Amino acid sequence: GQQLNQSPQSMFIQEGEDVSMNCTSSSIFNTWLWYKQDPGEGPVLLIALYKAGELTSNGRLTAQFGITRKDSFLNISASIPSDVGIYFCAGPSTDSWGKLQFGAGTQVVVTP
Amino acid sequence: DAGITQSPRYKITETGRQVTLMCHQTWSHSYMFWYRQDLGHGLRLIYYSAAADITDKGEVPDGYVVSRSKTENFPLTLESATRSQTSVYFCASSVGSSYNSPLHFGNGTRLTVT
Repeated sequence: GQQLNQSPQSMFIQEGEDVSMNCTSSSIFNTWLWYKQDPGEGPVLLIALYKAGELTSNGRLTAQFGITRKDSFLNISASIPSDVGIYFCAGPSTDSWGKLQFGAGTQVVVTP
Repeated sequence: DAGITQSPRYKITETGRQVTLMCHQTWSHSYMFWYRQDLGHGLRLIYYSAAADITDKGEVPDGYVVSRSKTENFPLTLESATRSQTSVYFCASSVGSSYNSPLHFGNGTRLTVT
């Protein structure tokens, strides 16, 4: 089946720095989703992308749907302490309608 | 308050015991899901349900049983718990199919099997 590879696995950054992470798929996606999980909570949807080349922002977060439709990128600008958490990419599973497949996550730690 | 709630928040059980994790949502969402989260694996789908009395297997269903007699409840049962089922379990719901309707997650149940 398809695989989602998310990198980096973890990031230690200083407050104010920009953050970039990406996700690649072994097959073409029609949708890319980015979720964030705060410590001790469930993931929350940040950004949804539905078209190749699409660039969408949500505050200091910007995500892009890669032209090849096999990758997506998430950028966080001017990081703040509350950006700490795990960021997941996700896309629809090709083997069954209605199911999402998640990447392994990128853990972000922000130091003052 | 409206939302999706999971119980218990923490559970310790012994190998071989049956344990049920509860999930309740107040939005009347059609779709409900159970995921497990393990280090290095992200979130893996165990079972999902498109509506009451309709359930289907996900990526890692072995050792789990679900039911959905009412739209708002989607319990997950481990029939005979094993140490490999130690994990954090998340229930989620959505209005429609996952990729055009956001998943709303509960806060998780941390299960330890000794």
